[in-house]
Order: sequence, then C-alpha cells, then structure tokens
Amino acid sequence: AQKITQTQPGMFVQEKEAVTLDCTYDTSDPSYGLFWYKQPSSGEMIFLIYQGSYDQQNATEGRYSLNFQKARKSANLVISASQLGDSAMYFCAMREGPIGNQFYFGTGTSLTVIP
Amino acid sequence: GAVVSQHPSRVICKSGTSVKIECRSLDFQATTMFWYRQFPKKSLMLMATSNEGSKATYEQGVEKDKFLINHASLTLSTLTVTSAHPEDSSFYICSARGSLAGYGYTFGSGTRLTVV
Repeated sequence: AQKITQTQPGMFVQEKEAVTLDCTYDTSDPSYGLFWYKQPSSGEMIFLIYQGSYDQQNATEGRYSLNFQKARKSANLVISASQLGDSAMYFCAMREGPIGNQFYFGTGTSLTVIP
Repeated sequence: GAVVSQHPSRVICKSGTSVKIECRSLDFQATTMFWYRQFPKKSLMLMATSNEGSKATYEQGVEKDKFLINHASLTLSTLTVTSAHPEDSSFYICSARGSLAGYGYTFGSGTRLTVV
C-alpha cells in the first residue's frame, strides 16, 4: 500500500485565489510527521510546512496552512492568495517514527497559477 | 538556517566514466544523509541512507557497486555513479539529518546528471 497518496497530478488556480492540494497517508505508527515541499523547475526542495501527529492544532506558515484530519488520515495543503511564483510541483511526505527516519514521498501535484 | 551545499548542480559525462556528487552540511553536523533519485515529473525515490562512519544502507533494487556512497565525516557525504550509462541520467538530491531546521531534514539543491 502507498504510504502517501496525492491524487491530483495537476491543478490550476487563478492568481489571488486559494487552492487545496490533497494528501492522504497510511501508517500504523502513532508517532509520525507530515511535510509539504515545493519543488520549482530548478529542482530544489523548499520546505513549506510541518505537522506532527501529536499536534493539536493545524500548522500554518504564512500563506500556507495544513488541514490535518487525523481520523481520515489526510493532510491537505491550503495555499491562500495564490501568486504566480507558486507555480511548481508540490510534494507531500511522511516520516514514520522518530526524527531521523526516512521519508515517504507522494507522487506530487503540479500547480499552475493563472494570471 | 541549516544549509546543505550540493555540487555539482549539473554535470554531463561520457558513458563509462564515473561522476562524484558531493553534499556538504555547512553549519551543522549531518549524522544521517539520504540520497534520492528523481526522474522527470516523478517523485523522489530513496536510494540509500548513510550514517557517518558506517556503511550505507541501500534500498532494494539499487546497485551498491554502481552507486557508491561515502559518509566519511559529519559534514560530507558523496555519491559516486560508477561506469555511468545513459539510463543513469537523472536528478539526484541529498537530504541531511542533523539540524532542527526544516523539522530535522535539510535538502541539497540537487544535481542533474546527463550521461551521453
């Protein structure tokens, strides 16, 4: 079974609108971390936001927020007020167990922001 | 913040030659280094995990003798693609564990390898 599932290969959003990128995960470990990364065409992996499995509140970082629904095992990324520079690949990833363990990456979502 | 410097960013080599990719942690000690490979428009595939001073652990299907990983110091890990072939052309990226930045994981900027 896939550890991380991203079902949206490509998404389009109008500039200044909000967009939600979906991510579901599968683990039986009570301790895990969920990450979102942005990968522009240059290839670098830019860390966006993190949610720990024991965190009570949804994570937010500027225009990024993570809609964490633990019972549904979903960790959707919400980007508010989209900008042209947000056009990129977005990867959801999970770390099972303690910090230092390997990541499992989703297949990614290509986001295009339309002016 | 934590920085991992990865070099070279791009390299073109002839078939049959070897290429070395370096990942260096600039301001922290990288106790663990993860090496990934990424095909165009695909996800990152973990190739191997290396801990400083010990042998790397390779994922199933990754040839140890082809992709040599050395993690001889707490600030440097290298991936050597030996006897490269065109099918080894890919994007390679490292991720270091050792800093609290990025909630424990700092990525290099990646290396685009083209074998001709």
